[in-house]
Amino acid sequence: AQRVTQPEKLLSVFKGAPVELKCNYSYSGSPELFWYVQYSRQRLQLLLRHISRESIKGFTADLNKGETSFHLKKPFAQEEDSAMYYCALRGAGNTPLVFGKGTRLSVIA
Amino acid sequence: DGGITQSPKYLFRKEGQNVTLSCEQNLNHDAMYWYRQDPGQGLRLIYYSQIVNDFQKGDIAEGYSVSREKKESFPLTVTSAQKNPTAFYLCASSIDKGGWQFFGPGTRLTVL
Repeated sequence: AQRVTQPEKLLSVFKGAPVELKCNYSYSGSPELFWYVQYSRQRLQLLLRHISRESIKGFTADLNKGETSFHLKKPFAQEEDSAMYYCALRGAGNTPLVFGKGTRLSVIA
Repeated sequence: DGGITQSPKYLFRKEGQNVTLSCEQNLNHDAMYWYRQDPGQGLRLIYYSQIVNDFQKGDIAEGYSVSREKKESFPLTVTSAQKNPTAFYLCASSIDKGGWQFFGPGTRLTVL
């Protein structure tokens, strides 16, 4: 079965501090992993995907197959990063995305 | 915001009534999806369609129905059989079944 676990419902950090949003997955094959973000009063939008290996808004995420993790990181948090973050997985056969329950990031000034 | 639209933004219905949520996209995407978003539950898949005139049940399809008569449209009907219909409903589309998903703005349904 495909499963995504985001262990933290809420993460509060101070502005300028490093951020790490945890995501672990359960899947026997080679997954495709994504991070989506939902800012207040905005629609859910793609932040980054592991196959792109890019940095978006200062965020990066590395797929660690050994630890089955895809943690989202940013070295210096900004107030505008406050939002709901969802990790998502797609398995073989191009099945629909499976989402974690989300982590609300609050950046305190 | 264009691309994928949902209407209405807020919807109120009495218990026992069926209600249909609209989802339209002008991105020429083949695949469309319906998710339900509840606090602390994340997004849960209701139904999805990878091509016109075909759709599959997701994880929580009971009490819901869909149709896909046109490529641009994927309406969701919340029936009276759905035990807890009050929620935020999100529609999404992707260029094909392997593409990443674009999301609509959502419809908040409240059943009184």
